[in-house]
Amino acid sequence: QSALTQPASVSGSPGQSITISCTGTSSDVGGYDYVSWYQQHPGKAPKFIMYDVSNRPSGVSNRFSGSKSGNTASLTISGLQAEDEADYYCSSYTGSNTDVFGGGTKVTVL
Amino acid sequence: EVQLVQSGEEVKKAGESLKISCEGSGNTFTNYWIGWVRQMPGKGLEWMGIIYPGDSETRYSPSFQGQVTISADKSSRTAYLQWSSLKASDTAMYYCARSPGRVGTRFEYWGQGTLVTVSS
Repeated sequence: QSALTQPASVSGSPGQSITISCTGTSSDVGGYDYVSWYQQHPGKAPKFIMYDVSNRPSGVSNRFSGSKSGNTASLTISGLQAEDEADYYCSSYTGSNTDVFGGGTKVTVL
Repeated sequence: EVQLVQSGEEVKKAGESLKISCEGSGNTFTNYWIGWVRQMPGKGLEWMGIIYPGDSETRYSPSFQGQVTISADKSSRTAYLQWSSLKASDTAMYYCARSPGRVGTRFEYWGQGTLVTVSS
C-alpha cells in the first residue's frame, strides 16, 4: 500500500491560485470518491479542510476547492494568503477497509 | 465542543512496552471511529489504523498490522495505541483523530498529539 503521490512543494504569490495534485491508482483515488485533504501548520495537529473530493467542512474558507479526474485528485487554493503557508496532505480510501495519505506538499507564499 | 485529549510525551528505551491514550469528550464517543496517525520527525502523515469503540471493530494498515495494537474502552471514552516492544524507528508524533465512518475516513477532529521518543 503505497503513499499517494503529491508534489513536494508548490508556491505562489499572494492573491494567486495554486493547485496541489494527489495521484493514486484505480484502487484508491480513481476507484472511490473518498478523498480528503488536511492542512498542517508547523508544530500543530492537522486540520480537516475537504472531504469526499469536493466538500468543504463548515468553517473552511471557500477559497479552498477540490476536484478529481481519473486517478488524480486536486486541491486548489484561490486568492492565496500568507496564512495558507503550510503542509497539505491528501488521503484516500483504498478499498481494503483502510485509507492512505499522500506524501504531503509544502505550500510557500512568496 | 468535541475534544480528543491525548496522554503526555513518552521517553522510552528500545524493547520496552508502551500504551498511549486518547480520551474523547461527550457521550457520542461510541458512535464514531477513532483512528491513529503517525508522523515521524520531519516526515508526512501515515494512516495506522482505526477502531469503533462501540464494538471494538478494528482495521489496520498493512504497514502497521502486527506492529501495534489499537484498543478502546467505551466506558471511559478512551482509545489506546500500544507497542509490546518498541524500536528506535517508532520515534514519532502520534495523533488520534475522530471519523464519522470507516469507509473513506474523514478525520474531522484531532488530538494534540503524543510525542514518543525511543532510544536505542
